Amino acid sequence: KAGVTQTPRYLIKTRGQQVTLSCSPISGHRSVSWYQQTPGQGLQFLFEYFSETQRNKGNFPGRFSGRQFSNSRSEMNVSTLELGDSALYLCASSSDEGYEQYFGPGTRLTVT
Amino acid sequence: GIQVEQSPPDLILQEGANSTLRCNFSDSVNNLQWFHQNPWGQLINLFYIPSGTKQNGRLSATTVATERYSLLYISSSQTTDSGVYFCAVERTGAGNQFYFGTGTSLTVIP
Repeated sequence: KAGVTQTPRYLIKTRGQQVTLSCSPISGHRSVSWYQQTPGQGLQFLFEYFSETQRNKGNFPGRFSGRQFSNSRSEMNVSTLELGDSALYLCASSSDEGYEQYFGPGTRLTVT
Repeated sequence: GIQVEQSPPDLILQEGANSTLRCNFSDSVNNLQWFHQNPWGQLINLFYIPSGTKQNGRLSATTVATERYSLLYISSSQTTDSGVYFCAVERTGAGNQFYFGTGTSLTVIP
């Protein structure tokens, strides 16, 4: 089985712009979660989608949003980018039983 | 949320040495995983271990859920073991939301 894939792998944006990141889960997995990793805050949970519905949400401002499509692929959007949004964004997928989570390679976003 | 503490924060080992990494958590959990983050940032699954003991080659892990801690053992360390090791937990009843520790940065020197 192919693993979790994320595109793009690297991205450079300017303050005030918006960005969309994509995540394709492992085939058959319907749960997709997003995490932000920064040197200062570590790994923090953004949100989780299951069967096209947001099931859990972390403590991030409304500029961070996401969605999930019927094929379980998920997108994450960040509007009005700030310098502090520079981070590695990781997505993870898990099966319906919700046991082990598998992570993608991440998208490294730099905001200048 | 749930507090996850990992120790030690940094560890330097000579190749061939053994080590123990610890993860303490503040609430009951229904999922605990250990990851190794490679230099490119990807989290590699090491163990899914909400309770009990598992072994995979030179690595083994033990979780004592009732006492809210987990241990990761690395034996006969190799330079390729270098990197950051994370413990992540899901609080019981909280769905697929991981709380991560701050990690242990391991450097294995030849």
